[in-house]
Amino acid sequence: QTVVTQEPSFSVSPGGTVTLTCGLSSGSVSTSYYPSWYQQTPGQLPRTLIYNTNTRSSGVPDRFSGSILGNKAALTITGAQADDESDYYCMLYMGSGISVFGGGTKLTVL
Amino acid sequence: QVQLQESGPGLVKPSGTLSLTCAVSGGSISTDNWWTWVRQPPGEGLEWIGEIHHNGGTNYNPSLKSRVTMSLDKSKNQFSLELTSVTAADTAVFYCARQYTGDDAFDVWGQGTMVTVSS
Repeated sequence: QTVVTQEPSFSVSPGGTVTLTCGLSSGSVSTSYYPSWYQQTPGQLPRTLIYNTNTRSSGVPDRFSGSILGNKAALTITGAQADDESDYYCMLYMGSGISVFGGGTKLTVL
Repeated sequence: QVQLQESGPGLVKPSGTLSLTCAVSGGSISTDNWWTWVRQPPGEGLEWIGEIHHNGGTNYNPSLKSRVTMSLDKSKNQFSLELTSVTAADTAVFYCARQYTGDDAFDVWGQGTMVTVSS
């Protein structure tokens, strides 16, 4: 069974840029996987940031952007702010109506 | 705007059946959207459980497929989740969500409901 992989943790300095990635245990991520990204702070419901690789959800600032980098989907945050400190999850469409979340990345801003 | 609200028992006994409902308000469930369930065990990540369409179509997580049934009630504008033979490992916050039309992501989330499996 293919696993969706994410960095367990990452840190970024305030004002800095960070790129989180979303890969596959076997194979490459492409736009055909319709990667989406979600932000979740502890105790809160997930917030959709990016879908269909690089489309920002309504109200999401343009500091957040999505792309394909190499063989992975990527979420880039530019000008990181303290309230960007959250867990970030990607989700991939695996075909046949099935979607799979990655394990999540805990982002620290310090 | 569309809002979703989960409801159901907060405590289920082991080997029992977990049943949750997601009420849709501010819009019709009979649109070209897939309606989804996602869960999150305490301190863990998100898990896609499955989805249902008003035309009767369903897709389930293969790892849960043998225990999951989703249904949709157009008259009540709600959809439901049943998970059978539950164990403590099924303890989680359960979210319902609406998928973007034509895209594999969610534009509306419910607030989530905590379900604990315990005797």
